[in-house]
Amino acid sequence: GEDVEQSLFLSVREGDSSVINCTYTDSSSTYLYWYKQEPGAGLQLLTYIFSNMDMKQDQRLTVLLNKKDKHLSLRIADTQTGDSAIYFCADRRGGGSYIPTFGRGTSLIVHP
Amino acid sequence: EPEVTQTPSHQVTQMGQEVILRCVPISNHLYFYWYRQILGQKVEFLVSFYNNEISEKSEIFDDQFSVERPDGSNFTLKIRSTKLEDSAMYFCATTEGLGTTGTNEKLFFGSGTQLSVL
Repeated sequence: GEDVEQSLFLSVREGDSSVINCTYTDSSSTYLYWYKQEPGAGLQLLTYIFSNMDMKQDQRLTVLLNKKDKHLSLRIADTQTGDSAIYFCADRRGGGSYIPTFGRGTSLIVHP
Repeated sequence: EPEVTQTPSHQVTQMGQEVILRCVPISNHLYFYWYRQILGQKVEFLVSFYNNEISEKSEIFDDQFSVERPDGSNFTLKIRSTKLEDSAMYFCATTEGLGTTGTNEKLFFGSGTQLSVL
């Protein structure tokens, strides 16, 4: 079955860039997502990319998609302490199912 | 922004007991989902629900699980006889549509119910 993998932790200094990586296995994925979960809250959609795109930029966020390697990354420029959260990668496959498949989340810790 | 509300935020139960987790979807949303996350593991899809029927379910969603929308507002997940391995955070999510035209549909998640089975 399809699978989404992410590293568990990332620690960065405030002001640096963060890069969170994700790999997925399903070549029929149509949309790929980044969700953010702050403490005590549900997952919130941060950004997404359609599978025919290589890159999407949204203010401090840059999503890169390497479809050949099935690799997705989220770059956060000028990381702030408020960016500390868990970031989930997810993909939505085609072929009649519209259910996103999530990874286990990457805990981003931003320290001064 | 509209919110999905889940109650309770924490539920502790004895093994073998029945539990009901509740979710109030966003009012104009038509598609409802349950996901769960066992500590340290992935967020796993359980079931999707539309028009008072299950539209898709995973292998996890066995006969011990059921969903319903009893009063047209609440969307509930029932676990009939809880097991230790059911301990997890359970998330309800809703979408307005299904994205069948190829458009993206944003999932709105509740803040979850932490279920602990002792």
